[in-house]
Amino acid sequence: AQSVAQPEDQVNVAEGNPLTVKCTYSVSGNPYLFWYVQYPNRGLQFLLKYITGDNLVKGSYGFEAEFNKSQTSFHLKKPSALVSDSALYFCAVSNTGKLIFGQGTTLQVKP
Amino acid sequence: GAGVSQSPRYKVAKRGQDVALRCDPISGHVSLFWYQQALGQGPEFLTYFQNEAQLDKSGLPSDRFFAERPEGSVSTLKIQRTQQEDSAVYLCASSDRRRNQPQHFGDGTRLSIL
Repeated sequence: AQSVAQPEDQVNVAEGNPLTVKCTYSVSGNPYLFWYVQYPNRGLQFLLKYITGDNLVKGSYGFEAEFNKSQTSFHLKKPSALVSDSALYFCAVSNTGKLIFGQGTTLQVKP
Repeated sequence: GAGVSQSPRYKVAKRGQDVALRCDPISGHVSLFWYQQALGQGPEFLTYFQNEAQLDKSGLPSDRFFAERPEGSVSTLKIQRTQQEDSAVYLCASSDRRRNQPQHFGDGTRLSIL
């Protein structure tokens, strides 16, 4: 069975500092991996995806993610956090079309 | 361009009533998905359409839940005889045919069952 784990309910970081939001996954076969962001009372916005190729994936708003097959991880990163990055972040995996989401991590960036 | 549109944004119903939630996908997107997001949780898959064909309904929690997409565009999720545990945000997403393309989400319908 496919599953996604986001071990941190909340990540706190100061503006201008680097941020990491962790994600590990379990799936048979080659996974398609995604990160989405959700703002209050809104749907999910696509940030980036890993399908194949380079392990470092670049996405929207300066975010990137590193795919590590041996550790089955897909951590979201950003070199310099902004207060406006504060939101709920979801990691998701798919190999059949439907998305399997983690529980979400709230990112709080403080000025 | 227009994104995925869902209506109503908010719906309050009494226990036992039937409700219908509408999704207008991005024009040209053949794949359409419904997800249920409980408070403080990640979205959970309900059902999937490719054009008008419902290819996967494994996530529908009971036979009270029914979805359709008769002309391969607009979709309706119907819940009969609603119960309090049906209270959640219902998200619709659409995507290109290819499996590795990202899904684009609407803002959801927040359903509250009293």
